Amino acid sequence: DSGVTQTPKHLITATGQRVTLRCSPRSGDLSVYWYQQSLDQGLQFLIQYYNGEERAKGNILERFSAQQFPDLHSELNLSSLELGDSALYFCASSAGLAGGLRQSTDTQYFGPGTRLTVL
Amino acid sequence: LAKTTQPISMDSYEGQEVNITCSHNNIATNDYITWYQQFPSQGPRFIIQGYKTKVTNEVASLFIPADRKSSTLSLPRVSLSDTAVYYCLGIGGSQGNLIFGKGTKLSVKP
Repeated sequence: DSGVTQTPKHLITATGQRVTLRCSPRSGDLSVYWYQQSLDQGLQFLIQYYNGEERAKGNILERFSAQQFPDLHSELNLSSLELGDSALYFCASSAGLAGGLRQSTDTQYFGPGTRLTVL
Repeated sequence: LAKTTQPISMDSYEGQEVNITCSHNNIATNDYITWYQQFPSQGPRFIIQGYKTKVTNEVASLFIPADRKSSTLSLPRVSLSDTAVYYCLGIGGSQGNLIFGKGTKLSVKP
């Protein structure tokens, strides 16, 4: 158990819909990361938040957005869903450092993931 | 982040020692070598991290030669439950996100 929790575990929805995935980081961790894993693309970084602020952006679609709340939990919002959005979505957290710059030993711990199926 | 190259797959039998080698020719001075393990439909799990020479923990050992252009993850006496995908990453600097390659799919047979 990494200490990172994600809900829901499974989500089935239809094209065009909007869903929200939730992540609670390990106690004390300030950074939250979102990753998408699909069969053909592997693990892809989407976005990082540090202490409530967006810190880095990866291959995140404009239909997707995220935020980190004052209690440090994070939500990933996926809208206008398409069949190709079906994937595993992982959240990871790390301790983070002052200013959000990470060092090599700032280990990321991953949650169990949310499996999204778009029909 | 360093670009890494690993074998796509490896087979082993229970009780054997498994060594997975990763090449990272352009690793930066401040990059650490980090290995993650991932079981199907689960999140990657941190295994071990090192900078130079040898690091050992309760799960694995990591060998990094002096030139740091490669590293070897050693799993002693593997069991069926070690069947998973193993990722090698070079991590350092101010970049937060992890770049996962294809990893090495280890299959342990009885």
